[in-house]
Amino acid sequence: DIQMTQSPSSLSASVGDRVTITCRASQGISISLAWYQQKPGKVPKLLIYAASTLQSGVPSRFSGSGSGTDFTLTISGLQPEDVATYYCQKYDSAPLTFGGGTKVEIK
Amino acid sequence: QITLKESGPTLVKPTQTLTLTCTFSGLSLTSSGVGVGWIRQPPGKALEWLAVIYWDDDKRYRPSLKSRLTITKDTSKNQVVLTMTNMDPVDTATYYCAHRRGYVSGASYSGYAFDIWGQGILVTVSS
Repeated sequence: DIQMTQSPSSLSASVGDRVTITCRASQGISISLAWYQQKPGKVPKLLIYAASTLQSGVPSRFSGSGSGTDFTLTISGLQPEDVATYYCQKYDSAPLTFGGGTKVEIK
Repeated sequence: QITLKESGPTLVKPTQTLTLTCTFSGLSLTSSGVGVGWIRQPPGKALEWLAVIYWDDDKRYRPSLKSRLTITKDTSKNQVVLTMTNMDPVDTATYYCAHRRGYVSGASYSGYAFDIWGQGILVTVSS
C-alpha cells in the first residue's frame, strides 16, 4: 500500500509569513491528492483537490502544487484563523490514505 | 445542500460490536459515481480512512481492519451503516462519515476527495 508522509509534523510562524507543508507519496499517484484543514475541535474541511484546485470558498492565500510523489501546500500570508492541523490524502484508489498531519501555530 | 450525520453508541465495551449509522440528505447513493466513506480520528491523533461504499455497492476497506469492518447501504432510508467487530480501547475515536463524488469513464471509476463531512461521533471503548 502507498504511504503518505507529511513534513514537518508541526511548525510555528508569524502572521504574514509564507508557510509550506510537504506531502510525499511512496509511489506515484498522479494528481489524486487532497489537502484538508482541521481547526481545533472542528470537522476536517476540504481545501484543495486534484493537487492544486481550490475548493469553492477557500481563500486564495492557499495553494497546492505537485504531481506524482511530491506535493506542497502553501499558505501565502499566514493569518490567525489558519491555526489548524493540515492533512494530505491520496484518493486515486483504495486505501484512501491520509498523511500524519502538520500542526500550524502562530509564533 | 448535502448533509451527513453520524449516530450510534458513544460507549461500547471491549469485544463488543460497534454499529454506526450515517444518515444523509441532498445526495443519492443510486447516482453514478457517488460514494460515502467512514474516517476515524483517535484523540490527539491523525485521520484514518476506514471504508467506502459506492452507488453500485462496490466496497473498499482499510487493509489492516478489513476482517473487522462491514459497510452497507440502505438507499430507501438514505443511510450507510458501518459495523466494527471485536472493539478494543485503541478503537476509541471520533468517527466521521463523508461524501465522495466521482465519475465513470468506460470501465474505470475516478473518484474525488471527501468534500462534505458529518459532524462526527466520539466512540469510547471501555469496560
